[in-house]
Amino acid sequence: AQSVTQPDIHITVSEGASLELRCNYSYGATPYLFWYVQSPGQGLQLLLKYFSGDTLVQGIKGFEAEFKRSQSSFNLRKPSVHWSDAAEYFCAVGAHKWNSGYSTLTFGKGTMLLVSP
Amino acid sequence: DGGITQSPKYLFRKEGQNVTLSCEQNLNHDAMYWYRQDPGQGLRLIYYSQIVNDFQKGDIAEGYSVSREKKESFPLTVTSAQKNPTAFYLCATMGQHYEQYFGPGTRLTVT
Repeated sequence: AQSVTQPDIHITVSEGASLELRCNYSYGATPYLFWYVQSPGQGLQLLLKYFSGDTLVQGIKGFEAEFKRSQSSFNLRKPSVHWSDAAEYFCAVGAHKWNSGYSTLTFGKGTMLLVSP
Repeated sequence: DGGITQSPKYLFRKEGQNVTLSCEQNLNHDAMYWYRQDPGQGLRLIYYSQIVNDFQKGDIAEGYSVSREKKESFPLTVTSAQKNPTAFYLCATMGQHYEQYFGPGTRLTVT
């Protein structure tokens, strides 16, 4: 079964500094990978996705992520963090269950990003 | 505007009562999902549905029930059998490449 690990529960970054959030996945085939962001009391918003092609993917709000198959990682990066980026970030891997025809996402437990002035 | 609506945003119930959470979408997506979110636990899958009149149990289906009578609607009932129903509930649909789109959520408090 697929799984996702986000090793950092909380990260604090100074405004203007660079950011990297880590994500490791376990999945037997070529994964479909996603990063989502959630502000308090809100739903999740899709930041970016990878399913084939270029291993460096660009997303919204200036975020990017790099798929590294050899490391089973899909880390999220941003060159300069803004105070409005403070939120919780979730990494997810998609899987298709061929026996049932259903597709599901497995989410990591999230990383809370705090931005200091 | 295309999207997913969940109502109500906040819901309060007494213990022992069943409660139904609404989820409606106009994205024309076939697959719909219900998740429960608790602090520090990430998202846990309750039920999902690929097509009308068909649905599957997720990882934590006990104490919950769903129906899928229309493509646009996937209501979730939290029954009195659910031991810890207080949580934030999220509904989602799935696009073409497994990406999911989420509604704004319903916060359920049971006392």
